[in-house]
Amino acid sequence: AQTVTQSQPEMSVQEAETVTLSCTYDTSESDYYLFWYKQPPSRQMILVIRQEAYKQQNATENRFSVNFQKAAKSFSLKISDSQLGDAAMYFCAYRLYTGTASKLTFGTGTRLQVTL
Amino acid sequence: NAGVMQNPRHLVRRRGQEARLRCSPMKGHSHVYWYRQLPEEGLKFMVYLQKENIIDESGMPKERFSAEFPKEGPSILRIQQVVRGDSAAYFCASSRSTDTQYFGPGTRLTVL
Repeated sequence: AQTVTQSQPEMSVQEAETVTLSCTYDTSESDYYLFWYKQPPSRQMILVIRQEAYKQQNATENRFSVNFQKAAKSFSLKISDSQLGDAAMYFCAYRLYTGTASKLTFGTGTRLQVTL
Repeated sequence: NAGVMQNPRHLVRRRGQEARLRCSPMKGHSHVYWYRQLPEEGLKFMVYLQKENIIDESGMPKERFSAEFPKEGPSILRIQQVVRGDSAAYFCASSRSTDTQYFGPGTRLTVL
């Protein structure tokens, strides 16, 4: 079974600074997707970024980028120029890339605080 | 393009009652997934449905819980004879095929 581990329950960053959230996963499969979702106080789950395992290039979305290390099974999220609106729970998630096996497996989350 | 819709947003039930949670997927999406989030925890997969079919229910409790996604209308997650441990946020997500899943705002169920 696949597992996703987020070892940082809480992180804090000052506004305009950079922060990196860690995620590791365990799988015996070679084709899969990885995601970062953001959950602000409204509790809405918002997709931040997505990475296909077959792509060597790290995904980037504006201020958000990932460091995907397939051999190490590591998938960290870097937030640059942090803003107050980035304060939220961040969840790392894994999904197998095949037919109907499409469920997401989530980590336990990292609560990010952004300070002035 | 409207996002995933869930209703009600908040639902209060007494122990032993039934809870019905509804999910309307995004337009063009025929795949629906239900997840449960207990307080201070991550989301846990419950069930994956396509129109009129349950594809994967490996995360669904064996008793009291059922889900459907009829040909017409929203997907329904039904919890019979609710207990206090069912209190949680229930999220629905939809996707176009095995593509990215987009989440609804969730239904917060409180069992008194």
